[in-house]
Amino acid sequence: AQTVTQSQPEMSVQEAETVTLSCTYDTSESNYYLFWYKQPPSRQMILVIRQEAYKQQNATENRFSVNFQKAAKSFSLKISDSQLGDTAMYFCAFMSEGGHSNYQLIWGAGTKLIIKP
Amino acid sequence: EPEVTQTPSHQVTQMGQEVILRCVPISNHLYFYWYRQILGQKVEFLVSFYNNEISEKSEIFDDQFSVERPDGSNFTLKIRSTKLEDSAMYFCASNPEIYGYTFGSGTRLTVV
Repeated sequence: AQTVTQSQPEMSVQEAETVTLSCTYDTSESNYYLFWYKQPPSRQMILVIRQEAYKQQNATENRFSVNFQKAAKSFSLKISDSQLGDTAMYFCAFMSEGGHSNYQLIWGAGTKLIIKP
Repeated sequence: EPEVTQTPSHQVTQMGQEVILRCVPISNHLYFYWYRQILGQKVEFLVSFYNNEISEKSEIFDDQFSVERPDGSNFTLKIRSTKLEDSAMYFCASNPEIYGYTFGSGTRLTVV
């Protein structure tokens, strides 16, 4: 069974700094998808970035980028020029490619990120 | 941009009562889901729904839970006899396939 581990329960940085959130996962599959979701105090789940395992190039979305290390089963999220609005819980999630999983998401426990002014 | 709509946003119910949580997924999506998040804990998969039937369910999704898509647009989660431990945030989501998950804004269920 797949598992997702986020080892940092909470992090805080000053506004404008760069922060990296860690995520590791365990799977025997070769094709899968990885995601970072943001959950602000409103508790809505917002997709930040996604990565297809078959792509070697790391995904980027504006200030958000990932460091995907397939062999190490590591998928970290880097937030550059952090802003107060980035304060939220961040969840790493895994999805099998195979249809047998019905594209179910497997979630990490989350990292609470606090951006200080 | 299409949205997944959930109602109500917050529901308080007495232990033992039945509750129905409602969701309107994105109409051309194929897969529908319910997830829950107990406060301070990780998000847990409850059930997936495809082609008008349950395609997968977790151990949490026992006989107290059921899902329906009664009219082709709404997607409901029913809890027959609520327990205190059912208090959580319940998220509905839909997915066209693979990636493209869209989550609703959630229903906070409080069982007293």
